Amino acid sequence: QKEVEQNSGPLSVPEGAIASLNCTYSDRGSQSFFWYRQYSGKSPELIMFIYSNGDKEDGRFTAQLNKASQYVSLLIRDSQPSDSATYLCASGGGGFKTIFGAGTRLFVKA
Amino acid sequence: DGGITQSPKYLFRKEGQNVTLSCEQNLNHDAMYWYRQDPGQGLRLIYYSQIVNDFQKGDIAEGYSVSREKKESFPLTVTSAQKNPTAFYLCASSNRGRKETQYFGPGTRLLVL
Repeated sequence: QKEVEQNSGPLSVPEGAIASLNCTYSDRGSQSFFWYRQYSGKSPELIMFIYSNGDKEDGRFTAQLNKASQYVSLLIRDSQPSDSATYLCASGGGGFKTIFGAGTRLFVKA
Repeated sequence: DGGITQSPKYLFRKEGQNVTLSCEQNLNHDAMYWYRQDPGQGLRLIYYSQIVNDFQKGDIAEGYSVSREKKESFPLTVTSAQKNPTAFYLCASSNRGRKETQYFGPGTRLLVL
């Protein structure tokens, strides 16, 4: 059973701090990794994707991938209350089925 | 504007009734997907289609049916055989390929009367 595991949280950080979200995956054949943000009652929206080992930065967001450890993370710098949401990690590339984690709830305190 | 639309936003089903959820995309994507999300849970794949006139069962296909007669459209029918249909239903689409990125519609919330 291919799985993506995330800590359900909630992860609580003060405004302006760095939020660190983590994810592990079981399928070594996975080639692509995604982070989605989902506000309560809304659909997931793509934040970032990463294919290669290392870091990928986009504005306040940095995705990190370590294929040897089967580990993906998302760092959010200068966290804002508007970042409060559930963050879904997903892995894909082993066919057409993308596997989603259950999500980590993030709460940014003003 | 390119995107994915789902309708209706809310849908009420009576016991024993079949209902159909609409999903349309104008992104020219080949692949389309249906997911179910229960409160506090992750996404579970119901059906997916890689190309017109072809679709495959996902992890929880029982009680659901789909069709893919047009590239733009992938409707989902929740049949009376689905005994616990109350959930948030999400449609997604992507290009084909091993690094495909899925984009989601706004979702349909299905409630049982």
